[in-house]
Amino acid sequence: AQSVSQHNHHVILSEAASLELGCNYSYGGTVNLFWYVQYPGQHLQLLLKYFSGDPLVKGIKGFEAEFIKSKFSFNLRKPSVQWSDTAEYFCAVKKAAGNKLTFGGGTRVLVKP
Amino acid sequence: GAGVSQSPSNKVTEKGKDVELRCDPISGHTALYWYRQSLGQGLEFLIYFQGNSAPDKSGLPSDRFSAERTGGSVSTLTIQRTQQEDSAVYLCASSLIYSGVETQYFGPGTRLLVL
Repeated sequence: AQSVSQHNHHVILSEAASLELGCNYSYGGTVNLFWYVQYPGQHLQLLLKYFSGDPLVKGIKGFEAEFIKSKFSFNLRKPSVQWSDTAEYFCAVKKAAGNKLTFGGGTRVLVKP
Repeated sequence: GAGVSQSPSNKVTEKGKDVELRCDPISGHTALYWYRQSLGQGLEFLIYFQGNSAPDKSGLPSDRFSAERTGGSVSTLTIQRTQQEDSAVYLCASSLIYSGVETQYFGPGTRLLVL
């Protein structure tokens, strides 16, 4: 069965610092990749997604992610975080021929003002 | 437009009781998913409906869990004889496959507490 790993469970950083969250998955076939964000008290929202083409994808709120097939990774980045980026971030993978999403364990990000 | 809605937003029940959770997907979305978000297990897939096809029930944790989708729209997740380990946030998502691309949009969830 496929699995998704997010190596950092908690990240604390100051405003204007750069953020990078790691995500690795175990499935060897073609995949679709997603990052979702859950702000405090809110529901899961899509940040960005990768299906094909340019492995560097840009999402909302200045986030981007890079798909590196050889490393089975889809790391999320933001050059300069804001206090409002405090949230929990989830990486998710779907087999291209499948349906369900397999989620990583999530990373809680706290941005100190 | 309106997103995925779920009701109730919170549910407290006693062990052994049955509960029903409702999901209204985004209008026109043909696929509907249920997931569970719990402290110990993270986000787990439960069940998937697509059009008139037989649902994929592979994620249901026990036969106490069942779900149906009426008229290809609203879905109800039923948990019979609830147990304390059923306490979690139950999330519904819907999607539309367009040009081979599918993105799931999530509702706010139902927070279930079994006492």
